[in-house]
Amino acid sequence: DTEVTQTPKHLVMGMTNKKSLKCEQHMGHRAMYWYKQKAKKPPELMFVYSYEKLSINESVPSRFSPECPNSSLLNLHLHALQPEDSALYLCASSQEASEAYHEQYFGPGTRLTVT
Amino acid sequence: GQNIDQPTEMTATEGAIVQINCTYQTSGFNGLFWYQQHAGEAPTFLSYNVLDGLEEKGRFSSFLSRSKGYSYLLLKELQMKDSASYLCAVRDSNYQLIWGAGTKLIIKP
Repeated sequence: DTEVTQTPKHLVMGMTNKKSLKCEQHMGHRAMYWYKQKAKKPPELMFVYSYEKLSINESVPSRFSPECPNSSLLNLHLHALQPEDSALYLCASSQEASEAYHEQYFGPGTRLTVT
Repeated sequence: GQNIDQPTEMTATEGAIVQINCTYQTSGFNGLFWYQQHAGEAPTFLSYNVLDGLEEKGRFSSFLSRSKGYSYLLLKELQMKDSASYLCAVRDSNYQLIWGAGTKLIIKP
């Protein structure tokens, strides 16, 4: 199974809502990532979890809160977002975060619209 | 600073060959990846190069020259389904992926 799953596929939320994005992988990968991607731009790294511990936070605003409940699951909690946060949110995983040759496997993404 | 350059857009004909170039300047180098991304979908892994030379994988090949900070992705026998964006990404000394902006490849019949 080389699949990363994400739910929901689409999400529309208001600026006062609280919602969560979910990501799951069953490949035994120990590194998981959240990326944000705007149209016609490359993915922009937000967070990296390695062995269920947050290892990188790329100066992401606190209205985005990641959580890694176990080695297979990764959540992104959203609160008080702004319209400019509308984007495709991608989850990815790899065997290790600090090995050079391990490619990242991406989920299909959640298309988020903030109104 | 860290920088990866790719052409914004390229057009090629079905059945032909196209080469997508990528130049990079990064803090350290731990390999270069090419990903394919269809519109609205997730990136999918195509190739990884860490040593100089050409890696061939079916219709796709990837080349690396570390001394020149240069890579290319070569696509042969182009098919309409190859229309996508192609992203070059370099793993730097901190093992983070630095992404290029991507090259949108348009295939015409």
